Amino acid sequence: EVQLVESGGGLVKPGGSLRLSCAASGFSFSSYSMTWVRQAPGKGLEWVASIFSSGQYIFYANSVKGRFTISRDNAKKSLFLQMNSLRAEDTALYYCAREGGYYEAPDYWGQGTQVTVSS
Amino acid sequence: QSVLTQAPSASGTPGQRVTISCSGSSSNIGDYYVYWYQQVPGTAPKLLIHRNNQRPSGVPDRISASKSGTSASLVISGLRSEDEADYYCAAWDDSLNGAVFGGGTRLTVL
Repeated sequence: EVQLVESGGGLVKPGGSLRLSCAASGFSFSSYSMTWVRQAPGKGLEWVASIFSSGQYIFYANSVKGRFTISRDNAKKSLFLQMNSLRAEDTALYYCAREGGYYEAPDYWGQGTQVTVSS
Repeated sequence: QSVLTQAPSASGTPGQRVTISCSGSSSNIGDYYVYWYQQVPGTAPKLLIHRNNQRPSGVPDRISASKSGTSASLVISGLRSEDEADYYCAAWDDSLNGAVFGGGTRLTVL
């Protein structure tokens, strides 16, 4: 069974940093592209960043480019999102998700970790 | 403003058939697979359809989907109260180099 478990969320002041983690199990992690998707309170889904299976390609949404860094450790079956210079508009539930294939949307999703940016 | 366009709401009575549409462009739906998700408020999105019209195991066959050109549709037949949820479409977009989502359609079972 595919499982994705996020951690690392919390309350942080504007300008602060957080590092999200996602522990994967139940599939061959190193064979899949992975992605972070966020959902602000009462809003829809917004893609944040994607990383290909070996990390050979990385893509970011314009809204986070230059502030967020996606990375992965295939040996530890883990995905990360380093978030710097956080803004109030980054407040959201952050989901770790597996992509269905190269250049495809996500198929399996974690339960999410809440990030709140407030003074 | 979402890249993929969905109507904000839809409704139907139990047993009815409901169609949820998703409109995009050549840089997303036109060239890439469409995915559909169901999200019950307070829970994570659940995959309903992948690769345009493929149902994962466990999704009932009263759920179907299709794609034509730069648009896609999700059809729920034999509507049930437990179908009440938000539904999202998604696809890769090669001008943004990332996944794009519709704004979501809230389905109400009357």
